[in-house]
Amino acid sequence: DGGITQSPKYLFRKEGQNVTLSCEQNLNHDAMYWYRQDPGQGLRLIYYSQIVNDFQKGDIAEGYSVSREKKESFPLTVTSAQKNPTAFYLCASSSGSANLRDYTFGSGTRLTVV
Amino acid sequence: AQKITQTQPGMFVQEKEAVTLDCTYDTSDPSYGLFWYKQPSSGEMIFLIYQGSYDQQNATEGRYSLNFQKARKSANLVISASQLGDSAMYFCAMREVNNAGNMLTFGGGTRLMVKP
Repeated sequence: DGGITQSPKYLFRKEGQNVTLSCEQNLNHDAMYWYRQDPGQGLRLIYYSQIVNDFQKGDIAEGYSVSREKKESFPLTVTSAQKNPTAFYLCASSSGSANLRDYTFGSGTRLTVV
Repeated sequence: AQKITQTQPGMFVQEKEAVTLDCTYDTSDPSYGLFWYKQPSSGEMIFLIYQGSYDQQNATEGRYSLNFQKARKSANLVISASQLGDSAMYFCAMREVNNAGNMLTFGGGTRLMVKP
């Protein structure tokens, strides 16, 4: 079955360390997205990519970096510059603008800074 | 200005009763889609229902229906016959055709609690 796989499900990081969250999709979707969710809040866009080797900043990109070397993969690195990285991170993908309904989420990664 | 507004941070409903969760949106794009998601404590985003801006009829999916009032820019979710398993966070979201990136924009969510 096609879908999005995020790993790991839970991640602990020491202050000052970089950490990379994985997002892989086998839906043949062109576009991929990273969202951050704080407790009791909505989702905020960190980065998105509409095509391989191209990506754009979202609303809260500071302290994060991404790459899109393959269509299937869109890893997110939380750098030490991110002041408050403890949050729930969701990855999503879509096929493009023509089919607005087509939007799939992964199951998320919960990152905790210890 | 907020693109998606959910004015009810939390709501209670008695089991087996219907409940309406409010959502208003703001866009100048004539072509857009509106979504409702359920998020249980596990964190996964469960797609519930979708309404396209050109759809003539209100969307329905089982116990979920979307009360779409385009002129008022309102897209309220109606859950009929509430069940205990409906207790969760609910998010309204919008996608616009002419939005660079075509990402989903989310409201702040409503926490629904179903009382037995």
